[in-house]
Amino acid sequence: RKEVEQDPGPFNVPEGATVAFNCTYSNSASQSFFWYRQDCRKEPKLLMSVYSSGNEDGRFTAQLNRASQYISLLIRDSKLSDSATYLCVVNQGGGGNKLTFGTGTQLKVEL
Amino acid sequence: NAGVMQNPRHLVRRRGQEARLRCSPMKGHSHVYWYRQLPEEGLKFMVYLQKENIIDESGMPKERFSAEFPKEGPSILRIQQVVRGDSAAYFCASSLTGQDYGYTFGSGTRLTVV
Repeated sequence: RKEVEQDPGPFNVPEGATVAFNCTYSNSASQSFFWYRQDCRKEPKLLMSVYSSGNEDGRFTAQLNRASQYISLLIRDSKLSDSATYLCVVNQGGGGNKLTFGTGTQLKVEL
Repeated sequence: NAGVMQNPRHLVRRRGQEARLRCSPMKGHSHVYWYRQLPEEGLKFMVYLQKENIIDESGMPKERFSAEFPKEGPSILRIQQVVRGDSAAYFCASSLTGQDYGYTFGSGTRLTVV
């Protein structure tokens, strides 16, 4: 089983749609969680951290369910500029700041 | 305050040559991380360094790969006797402390082995 698992997509959605991505992680001792965004042939960029209480940043909402080892990202009113690959990222703890990345979910927002 | 700087952006090497990838962390940061992204794959952790020390190299291939972060100057990821399978994007990130949070990546070095 992969340490961090995501549906690779692609998700093709019309502009203005709401889209949700899911992610599961295998290590129950994992300590912190993030969503990164990666554009084609660019570096990953931190989108937001994920907390058990849920957190929102504009059109983006992230949620963590520790019991199910499940992380989600919801994008509302999607824009063309949201087209990218979204990476689910877990810090498994144990010292240091080593991140484990999922392979990413590709989103394509279309007119 | 400049971000994490990596150079070169693109590097082409023939099989058997050496590749040296450089990473200058953000100002004041003393923790550096190297990741590799193979084509169509996710980022994989390679090594975590502090100034003059390797903290975690559990993701480094056993042979041909080495990393350093000297007291002065950038961190260097060195690949000796490159093979086609080393072709990938190599990303570096830095942090102020080694605590848990999402860090900022440099723009990466794309290594192509021909």
